[in-house]
Amino acid sequence: DAGVIQSPRHEVTEMGQEVTLRCKPISGHNSLFWYRQTMMRGLELLIYFNNNVPIDDSGMPEDRFSAKMPNASFSTLKIQPSEPRDSAVYFCASSLVGLRSYEQYFGPGTRLTVT
Amino acid sequence: GQQLNQSPQSMFIQEGEDVSMNCTSSSIFNTWLWYKQDPGEGPVLLIALYKAGELTSNGRLTAQFGITRKDSFLNISASIPSDVGIYFCAGTSGTYKYIFGTGTRLKVLA
Repeated sequence: DAGVIQSPRHEVTEMGQEVTLRCKPISGHNSLFWYRQTMMRGLELLIYFNNNVPIDDSGMPEDRFSAKMPNASFSTLKIQPSEPRDSAVYFCASSLVGLRSYEQYFGPGTRLTVT
Repeated sequence: GQQLNQSPQSMFIQEGEDVSMNCTSSSIFNTWLWYKQDPGEGPVLLIALYKAGELTSNGRLTAQFGITRKDSFLNISASIPSDVGIYFCAGTSGTYKYIFGTGTRLKVLA
C-alpha cells in the first residue's frame, strides 16, 4: 500500500517567492496533519484537517502560511511570501481517527530552503 | 513548542548489543507512539501503546507504556547497523495533538 506522498522532496527558492507543498494522504484516512521540523524546535504541528475541514490551525506561524484540503486525497501548504526563517523540513501525516487509533503516518517530507 | 524529554540524547553501541531508551512527560498520556527517522526521510511508526503497563513488540523492538502514564520505554535487542537513526517518542492525552520527544540518536559500530 502506498504511504503518504509528498512533493516536491526538495525546494530551493528565493525570499519573497511563493512556495507550494503538496501531500496525498493514505487512502481511507480521514485526518491530515502538516508539521514543520527544525533542529531547534523539533516537530511542530502547523494545521490539522479532519474530513477535509481545518480543525486546528493554531500552529500556523503567521498569515503568510495557508493550507487547503479540497478533497480527501490532496492537500497543499502554501507560503507567500517565503522568508529565510521558513527553511525547514515540512511533513505531512495522515491518520484514521476513530475510537482508539490516533496513529499518525508521516510522508517523506519536503526540505525547503529559502535564500 | 513543548517537547518530551528523551534519554539518552545519543548513544554509540556495538553491533549485537541491546539498547534501551526512555521518554518522560510531566503530563499523563493515554497513547504513546515510537518512531524511527532515517536521514532525509520521514518518521516511520514502529510501535503504538494504548494502555498503562502495556508491553508491545515489533521484531527486535519492544516498547512499554509506563504504569505512571508519564513515561515510555523502547528496547532494541541485538542491534544491527540498520538500526542507526533517530528514535522519537510521541504522546497524547487522547486527542490528535501529539507532543514529540527530543529524539535519541543511535549509532551502531560494526
